[in-house]
Amino acid sequence: DAGVTQSPTHLIKTRGQQVTLRCSPKSGHDTVSWYQQALGQGPQFIFQYYEEEERQRGNFPDRFSGHQFPNYSSELNVNALLLGDSALYLCASSPEGQPNTGELFFGEGSRLTVL
Amino acid sequence: EDKVVQSPLSLVVHEGDTVTLNCSYEVTNFRSLLWYKQEKKAPTFLFMLTSSGIEKKSGRLSSILDKKELFSILNITATQTGDSAVYLCAVEAGFNKFYFGSGTKLNVKP
Repeated sequence: DAGVTQSPTHLIKTRGQQVTLRCSPKSGHDTVSWYQQALGQGPQFIFQYYEEEERQRGNFPDRFSGHQFPNYSSELNVNALLLGDSALYLCASSPEGQPNTGELFFGEGSRLTVL
Repeated sequence: EDKVVQSPLSLVVHEGDTVTLNCSYEVTNFRSLLWYKQEKKAPTFLFMLTSSGIEKKSGRLSSILDKKELFSILNITATQTGDSAVYLCAVEAGFNKFYFGSGTKLNVKP
């Protein structure tokens, strides 16, 4: 049973560029959440997708956008990259509906470096 | 503003020691509190707590939640070098929306 997979694992961009990160959820999971984890910090909630719609959003600017596909996979897009966007981007999946454990299953993350 | 605060930020102990990690929170629409262990990249699930005073236990790890005082503790007894990691506390505020603390970095020396 494949867990949450993310790509790419590492990437380097320059300021002003755009980036797309990809995530495939764990089998049987239909909800995907994205988190940003800066060095030495805990993950911060960016947004969550369910049924191809953004259901919840954290305190991130509109430069951060996403998409969910019919097969539940998801993309995170960041436009006009800033140095401060350098971080580990984690994708987490969970099953919708009750009962659920509330547990998030995390991928290994995509390490973005902005120069 | 919803927030989760963990303490201490870092901790160095020797094998065999017992450690207590703290997590306090202020969130609206509290649903659950979770503990994760992060060794390299992907955090891995340890416990989920929803009710006050009920201890969750797994081997040498245990955790308890106090919903009145808004905090949780994670205990690790007889620590081993393999316990070295960052321990993250997360509070679910709203369905599957989690606020994380900054983590406690635990270093267990032989």
